[in-house]
Amino acid sequence: RKEVEQDPGPFNVPEGATVAFNCTYSNSASQSFFWYRQDCRKEPKLLMSVYSSGNEDGRFTAQLNRASQYISLLIRDSKLSDSATYLCVVNRYGANNLFFGTGTRLTVIP
Amino acid sequence: EAEVAQSPRYKITEKSQAVAFWCDPISGHATLYWYRQILGQGPELLVQFQDESVVDDSQLPKDRFSAERLKGVDSTLKIQPAELGDSAMYLCASSQDRGNSPLHFGNGTRLTVT
Repeated sequence: RKEVEQDPGPFNVPEGATVAFNCTYSNSASQSFFWYRQDCRKEPKLLMSVYSSGNEDGRFTAQLNRASQYISLLIRDSKLSDSATYLCVVNRYGANNLFFGTGTRLTVIP
Repeated sequence: EAEVAQSPRYKITEKSQAVAFWCDPISGHATLYWYRQILGQGPELLVQFQDESVVDDSQLPKDRFSAERLKGVDSTLKIQPAELGDSAMYLCASSQDRGNSPLHFGNGTRLTVT
């Protein structure tokens, strides 16, 4: 089983819609979680860290469910500029590095 | 905002040739990573440095790939000889500490092997 799994999509949503992505991780000892955004042929950029209590940054909300071992990203009022691939990243306790999911492709349609 | 510098941005090389990529992390970041990303997939770790020491190179194809960070600052990743399957984006990233801090990526080097 992969360390981190994401639905690759694509998710095609109209402007203004709310969309949510989930990401599951396999190791219960995982301790740090992040969402990255990656535009086509560009480098990944940190969107937000995910905290145990959940956190919000404008239209974006991230949540962690340790019992079910998944993190989620909710985007409200989708903009055309939100079109990108969203990568889930997990750090496992005792590991030295971060594990990336394959990404979920989002396209916001006018 | 401080950035991770990478060069070149693009590289086209013929198979069996040697190719090298360079990375300068954000100042003060002790941890440096080299990732490879194939189109449609997530980044995969090739090698991780803590200062000048390699802490993880388990996924680095050591018969053809090598990486160094001699002074614990900038780093070079080399492929010799290049193969067609090496065509990918090579991403360098740095972080303040291992695992718990988010990564900051450079622009990447897009390698095409013909």
